[in-house]
Amino acid sequence: QVQLVESGGGVVQPGGSLRLSCAASGFTFSTFGMHWVRQAPGKGLEWVSFVRSDGSIKYYADSVKGRFTISRDNSKSTLYLEMNGLRGEDTAVYYCARVASSSWGIFDCWGQGTPVTVSS
Amino acid sequence: ETMMTQSPDTLSVSPGERATLSCRASQSVSSKLAWYQQKPGQAPGLLIYGASTRATGIPARFSGSGAGTEFTLTISSLQSEDFAVYYCQQYDTWPLTFGGGTKVEIK
Repeated sequence: QVQLVESGGGVVQPGGSLRLSCAASGFTFSTFGMHWVRQAPGKGLEWVSFVRSDGSIKYYADSVKGRFTISRDNSKSTLYLEMNGLRGEDTAVYYCARVASSSWGIFDCWGQGTPVTVSS
Repeated sequence: ETMMTQSPDTLSVSPGERATLSCRASQSVSSKLAWYQQKPGQAPGLLIYGASTRATGIPARFSGSGAGTEFTLTISSLQSEDFAVYYCQQYDTWPLTFGGGTKVEIK
């Protein structure tokens, strides 16, 4: 079955960096676009970034543009999120999600998330 | 950016009763509206897309309606496993945006 497993979260100081990974299995990763979505503690969902199946198109939320970089390695069925210049407001659980076949904008499968805490 | 507003924030419903959740977009999103369910400690899961199409495996007691700026998620007869937070999300324009969520709790 489809499985998405995030890793790489942790505690980092303001201004620091982290790289999140999302290992995919159970489907042909190279044919699906992928997203990162985050959820601050006790808050709602916020879309972060999208990458097309071949990596040629990338979108970012304004709140992370210029600081976060999404990428993928289709040979390893893995999605990444490189996060630099981290701020307190980036504290959240970060989920990777697969797009639905019918639209880039629908999240049809989600990982369990990896927590990121930005604190001194 | 398209703002999504959900109401109410919390809905108290008895098991077996009907629940009606609302979602409003700040501009038309056509029918590009999805609903997700999130239970405590879990990732969200897709319920509805295209405003009214149930995702694979979603029971028929969940139904979605609406178009343009006004949308509704109806749960016809609440089961114990349906008590959760529900989010609407538009995918008509980038950035993709979510509503703030409606918590459905046991009355």
